[in-house]
Amino acid sequence: DQQVKQNSPSLSVQEGRISILNCDYTNSMFDYFLWYKKYPAEGPTFLISISSIKDKNEDGRFTVFLNKSAKHLSLHIVPSQPGDSAVYFCAAALSGTYKYIFGTGTRLKVLA
Amino acid sequence: SAVISQKPSRDICQRGTSLTIQCQVDSQVTMMFWYRQQPGQSLTLIATANQGSEATYESGFVIDKFPISRPNLTFSTLTVSNMSPEDSSIYLCSVEFSRQASYGYTFGSGTRLTVV
Repeated sequence: DQQVKQNSPSLSVQEGRISILNCDYTNSMFDYFLWYKKYPAEGPTFLISISSIKDKNEDGRFTVFLNKSAKHLSLHIVPSQPGDSAVYFCAAALSGTYKYIFGTGTRLKVLA
Repeated sequence: SAVISQKPSRDICQRGTSLTIQCQVDSQVTMMFWYRQQPGQSLTLIATANQGSEATYESGFVIDKFPISRPNLTFSTLTVSNMSPEDSSIYLCSVEFSRQASYGYTFGSGTRLTVV
């Protein structure tokens, strides 16, 4: 049973446009969510997080939106740049625990 | 955030052999975590390694298959024992980070293991 799902294995976006990566979760007890970016031959790098007390968190070009009723979060990258081409993982957890449940990732390709 | 050095970065091993992966952190940490990412799958927690105590394994992972050492607060090893092709994965060590309102894991660069 996959508790965190990223249903789009890949996404292509033109440079300068918005990239939207989606993530769904099944456990309503999750209250902390993260996005990681992974380049080939590197480990995942933390990008942005959001607590369930918020519905939006912004950091530069990256914004994460959380819809608790739909158990859905999304990562928006505006504007997209070729250097954003990577695999993006979402993860969910119960706050205060160290166990994160990861999705299977979405490969983003930003076309120049 | 801590800087994690992990080695080897990749290896190709014969089935039935064992491989030990090393993880060095540039600061002292209480807990270190070992993850596995099988092809096309998500990252799955194998075990948590605390210095001075036995590692805590997640469901589906056992000490005989994945023995872990944690000799001090900056170092840990994971051994993949008696390997089979199903063990072909990326293995990652990680430590917790916390800054401002964010917390999560910092990961090493990973070890890509291929078992033939």
